[in-house]
Amino acid sequence: EVRLVESGGGLVQPGRSLRLSCTTSDFTFGDYAFTWVRQAPGKGLEWVAFIRGKLYGETTEYAASVKDRFIISRDDSKSLAYLQMNSLKSEDTGVYYCVRCDRDYGGNLDYWGQGALVTVSS
Amino acid sequence: EIVLTQSPATLSLSPGERATLSCRASQSVSNYLAWYQQKPGQAPRLLIYDASNRATGIPARFSGSGSGTDFTLTINSLEPEDFAIYYCHQRSNWPITFGQGTRLEIK
Repeated sequence: EVRLVESGGGLVQPGRSLRLSCTTSDFTFGDYAFTWVRQAPGKGLEWVAFIRGKLYGETTEYAASVKDRFIISRDDSKSLAYLQMNSLKSEDTGVYYCVRCDRDYGGNLDYWGQGALVTVSS
Repeated sequence: EIVLTQSPATLSLSPGERATLSCRASQSVSNYLAWYQQKPGQAPRLLIYDASNRATGIPARFSGSGSGTDFTLTINSLEPEDFAIYYCHQRSNWPITFGQGTRLEIK
């Protein structure tokens, strides 16, 4: 069964950093792209960041709201995806989902993790 | 940025009825449109991809249609477990975007 499990969430002060990890299992990690989607409390879904597979140079895309603050990366040898979040703001608060894309260059968001809660507050 | 507008915001129906949810794009997304279902406290689940294809394990009562800018998710004969929030999503252009959601509630 395909699984994605996020970790690393928690309470952090504005301006500080946090790194989320996405542990995956039961599929060939390197064959897929990954994305992070977040959801503020009581709000809708917002795409955050995306990373292609090795064949596509592990190139990345970012939402304007997080560009230059967040960094998405992957370690195919460990089947892990990451989201490094710097200079955090209160508006970054929410549940962060790690999501598999069904192609290594992008595609549909076919499997989602259960989410990690990030709270940015002093 | 492509804006997806979902309507209605809330849909109140009874089990056994048919639900029709709409998603309109501010410009053409071809058929690169997907639908997701989210229940309280859960992650979203892929229902329909590429406008009209059911994802693995999705019951046949769920169907999608449309292309270009106008899309529809139809749920025939609503089951109690279908009452949830539904989001559309486009992957045609960066940034990928989601609609604001339609809440399907029990009447």
